[in-house]
Amino acid sequence: KNQVEQSPQSLIILEGKNCTLQCNYTVSPFSNLRWYKQDTGRGPVSLTIMTFSENTKSNGRYTATLDADTKQSSLHITASQLSDSASYICVVSAGKYSGGGADGLTFGKGTHLIIQP
Amino acid sequence: SAVISQKPSRDICQRGTSLTIQCQVDSQVTMMFWYRQQPGQSLTLIATANQGSEATYESGFVIDKFPISRPNLTFSTLTVSNMSPEDSSIYLCSVRRQGAGETQYFGPGTRLLVL
Repeated sequence: KNQVEQSPQSLIILEGKNCTLQCNYTVSPFSNLRWYKQDTGRGPVSLTIMTFSENTKSNGRYTATLDADTKQSSLHITASQLSDSASYICVVSAGKYSGGGADGLTFGKGTHLIIQP
Repeated sequence: SAVISQKPSRDICQRGTSLTIQCQVDSQVTMMFWYRQQPGQSLTLIATANQGSEATYESGFVIDKFPISRPNLTFSTLTVSNMSPEDSSIYLCSVRRQGAGETQYFGPGTRLLVL
């Protein structure tokens, strides 16, 4: 069964500090891995998308890494800001005919990040 | 990118009633999906909304409970029928463009509370 596990479940850090969120997956076949940011009361917004051949991708202060051999990904947030408080969701795409849902996606439960002033 | 709007943004409903959620996209898209996000849980795909034909439902979801319409490539509705408190959730419309890295965009969601 395809699964995406995220850790930690929640995290509180002080403004200006860095943090790293983890994502482990058992999804096959693998097409790509996405990180989304979901503010409270809003829909998820894409931060990065990485294919098998990509090891790292940045989007401003967000840097995602992917190790396809160990099936692990991380999202690093640099110099955190209050606006970074949100849930961060790891999503793995297995392609349309993976045997999963028609969207080919497996969602993690997210890491709830709180930035304190 | 794709800009998605949903109506209503939130609602409180009585048990046994039905609610229709609208999803409008600012441009034509091929693939449109409806998700449910229960508190503390990951997103769960309800169905794929197919333009001009019946929606394709995932295991555990049926048309009688979640009828879906998609009259054109920019608009869809999801109805939550005969609601119970267990239907309290966030309902999200989502679209995907072919190519362009297959980025998937999500609407702001409809927060539903059933009493």
